[in-house]
Amino acid sequence: AQTVTQSQPEMSVQEAETVTLSCTYDTSESDYYLFWYKQPPSRQMILVIRQEAYKQQNATENRFSVNFQKAAKSFSLKISDSQLGDAAMYFCAYRSYKGAQKLVFGQGTRLTINP
Amino acid sequence: NAGVTQTPKFRILKIGQSMTLQCTQDMNHNYMYWYRQDPGMGLKLIYYSVGAGITDKGEVPNGYNVSRSTTEDFPLRLELAAPSQTSVYFCASIFGPNEKLFFGSGTQLSVL
Repeated sequence: AQTVTQSQPEMSVQEAETVTLSCTYDTSESDYYLFWYKQPPSRQMILVIRQEAYKQQNATENRFSVNFQKAAKSFSLKISDSQLGDAAMYFCAYRSYKGAQKLVFGQGTRLTINP
Repeated sequence: NAGVTQTPKFRILKIGQSMTLQCTQDMNHNYMYWYRQDPGMGLKLIYYSVGAGITDKGEVPNGYNVSRSTTEDFPLRLELAAPSQTSVYFCASIFGPNEKLFFGSGTQLSVL
């Protein structure tokens, strides 16, 4: 079974600075998706960014980018120019290409933005 | 097109009571899921369905039951509620591989 580990329960960053959230995963599959989700206090689950494992190029979405290291099974999220609205819980998640498309989540990292 | 709709948004149950959390989607999605999220933790899969009439257990199925009689609806039944079932419950759905997953807004359940 696949597992996802986020080793940083909490992180904080000054507004306008850059922060990196870590995620590692374990799988025997070669084809899969990786995701970062944001959960603000409203508890809504918001997709931040997605990476397909077959793509060597790291995904980017505006101020959000990932560092995908397939061999190391590492998938970190970098947030540049942090804004107060980025404060939230962030979850790393894994999904297989095959089968029932189930998402496996990490434990989450609570990100605080200091003004 | 309402997406994934969950009801109720909040509920308080007494120990031993039963209830059904409703989930419906209007996107003709084949795959549907129920997750629970304990305070400060990630989401864990309770049950899932890959189509009408087909359901299967996830990581934490004990104390719950589901049914999928239609493509649109995927209710989650709690029998004999226990304090350990206090959690936020999310329903989600997806059409198929390589598609976007849609989440409902969640149900905050407290068992006292």
